[in-house]
Amino acid sequence: AQSVTQPDIHITVSEGASLELRCNYSYGATPYLFWYVQSPGQGLQLLLKYFSGDTLVQGIKGFEAEFKRSQSSFNLRKPSVHWSDAAEYFCAVGKAAGNKLTFGGGTRVLVKP
Amino acid sequence: DGGITQSPKYLFRKEGQNVTLSCEQNLNHDAMYWYRQDPGQGLRLIYYSQIVNDFQKGDIAEGYSVSREKKESFPLTVTSAQKNPTAFYLCASSITYEAFFGQGTRLTVV
Repeated sequence: AQSVTQPDIHITVSEGASLELRCNYSYGATPYLFWYVQSPGQGLQLLLKYFSGDTLVQGIKGFEAEFKRSQSSFNLRKPSVHWSDAAEYFCAVGKAAGNKLTFGGGTRVLVKP
Repeated sequence: DGGITQSPKYLFRKEGQNVTLSCEQNLNHDAMYWYRQDPGQGLRLIYYSQIVNDFQKGDIAEGYSVSREKKESFPLTVTSAQKNPTAFYLCASSITYEAFFGQGTRLTVV
């Protein structure tokens, strides 16, 4: 069965500093990988996705992620965080059958002034 | 504007009651999903439907029921058999593998 692990439950970062959120997945074939962001009490917004091709993926809001097959990872990065980046971030993997997504437990990001 | 509408935003249920959460989409997506979100547990799949008049159980379907009579609508009923229904419920629809989410319904048992 596929699974997604986000090792960091909480991360605190200073405004202007860089941010990296870790995501490791377990899946037997080429995965479809996603990062979503959720503000409190809201739905999820897609930041970026990886299906195939270039392993460095650019997304919205200045985020990027790198797919590393050898490490089964899809880490999310942002060079300089803004206070508005404070939210919860979810990594997800999809499989070929059923279009279902499996989500990680999420990482809550706090931004210090 | 195209999107997914969930209603109500907040819902209160008494013990032993069934309640129905609404989810409507105008994105013309075939697939729709219901997820439950609890703090620290991410999103867990309750039910999903890939086509009208067909749906499958997800990982935590016990105590829930759904219907898919129209492409645009995928209501979720939380029955009295669900022993711990207090949670945030998210509806989504998808084309290929990219899911689009509604704003959620927060259900509280009182």
